[in-house]
Amino acid sequence: DAGVIQSPRHEVTEMGQEVTLRCKPISGHDYLFWYRQTMMRGLELLIYFNNNVPIDDSGMPEDRFSAKMPNASFSTLKIQPSEPRDSAVYFCASSFGRSPLHFGNGTRLTVT
Amino acid sequence: AQSVSQHNHHVILSEAASLELGCNYSYGGTVNLFWYVQYPGQHLQLLLKYFSGDPLVKGIKGFEAEFIKSKFSFNLRKPSVQWSDTAEYFCAVTRFTGGGNKLTFGTGTQLKVEL
Repeated sequence: DAGVIQSPRHEVTEMGQEVTLRCKPISGHDYLFWYRQTMMRGLELLIYFNNNVPIDDSGMPEDRFSAKMPNASFSTLKIQPSEPRDSAVYFCASSFGRSPLHFGNGTRLTVT
Repeated sequence: AQSVSQHNHHVILSEAASLELGCNYSYGGTVNLFWYVQYPGQHLQLLLKYFSGDPLVKGIKGFEAEFIKSKFSFNLRKPSVQWSDTAEYFCAVTRFTGGGNKLTFGTGTQLKVEL
């Protein structure tokens, strides 16, 4: 099993640019989560999906953030326009039912 | 809203010392509890979990944790740490539901083990 795959590993962009983060969950998992990790706020849940349907997006900071899951094997998190305060490590995780979450390696985003 | 508190933000130990990291949560209902570890530059990995049954759970790499319902606590322990245990440790909680585990994480404890 390849685990949860995220791309890119690192992203450096200028303020105002659009950023798209990608995630491939573990095959067969029915839940997908997007977390953001910063020094100041720790790990925050942004949004999660069940069977490709967004269940709770209350953690999405503002309208600049959007997430989609067009099928069971792919999800994106988009920031448009990006701002320096969006700099963080973004983790995707997946799980099956109540099983523990499996995390990807994360995308380190730097917005200058 | 439920919250998770980890009391120790930074811990420094010598090899072979015993470890206990505190974790308390605020939710009063049935919960699932987890400890995750994040080694430098890596993703979070599950150390151990508690869903039900024996409140003393054993995880990987010699770690264990004890669920004390009356204290709303789930402290992580290891009798003898190694240099390779240097990492950040996160406690996480989720309410028992029929669905997935929507985790609320603590702020993490950075553990440094010195030779």
